[in-house]
Amino acid sequence: EVQLVQSGAEVKKPGESLKISCKASGYSFTTYWIGWVRQMPGKGLEWMGIIYPGDSDTRYSPSFQGQVTISADKSITTAYLQWSSLKASDTAMYYCARPRIAGTFDAFDIWGQGTMVIVS
Amino acid sequence: DIQMTQSPSSLSASVGDRVTITCRASQGISNYLAWYQQKPGKVPKLLIYTASTLQSGVPSRFSGSRSGTDFTLTISSLQPEDVATYYCQKYNSAPFTFGPGTKVDIK
Repeated sequence: EVQLVQSGAEVKKPGESLKISCKASGYSFTTYWIGWVRQMPGKGLEWMGIIYPGDSDTRYSPSFQGQVTISADKSITTAYLQWSSLKASDTAMYYCARPRIAGTFDAFDIWGQGTMVIVS
Repeated sequence: DIQMTQSPSSLSASVGDRVTITCRASQGISNYLAWYQQKPGKVPKLLIYTASTLQSGVPSRFSGSRSGTDFTLTISSLQPEDVATYYCQKYNSAPFTFGPGTKVDIK
């Protein structure tokens, strides 16, 4: 079964660093892009960025460029989203998601369960 | 960057009604448009990709169409389980922007 399993909820203080994870299983990790999506409380979906684990090619939304870092570790089929200095405005649910088709940009048909990050 | 707009932002309809949601791209994106459904407290679910192709397992009352840079999601007969927020998303090139969402509930 194709799955993305995300790390658990986090409660952090402003200024702290954080790295959340998305563990992939059931498919060839290096041949599909993996994206990250933010959803602030009561708000819509925001596309943050995407990484191709095969060669670590990474694209960011201009809104998130420089604010977060997306990475992946092929050896443990895990993608990451990290912050070096959290702000209260980073409080949100974060989803990882995988496109339908290998090796290309496509709609996200597989989603992680979400990781809630609270910065307070 | 290409902007995505949706209308209406919310709607209330009766069970059995035909519901139409529109998504507009500020520039051409060909057919690289997806629709997602997100029920309260749940993970988004892919409904439609390439503007009009129904994802496997999605009820046939959902359909999508395109006219230029305007895209439409139609629910032919609204059911109680369709209460959700619906988002469009472009994916022709990064950033893969989502629309602001349309909240659908039952009158």
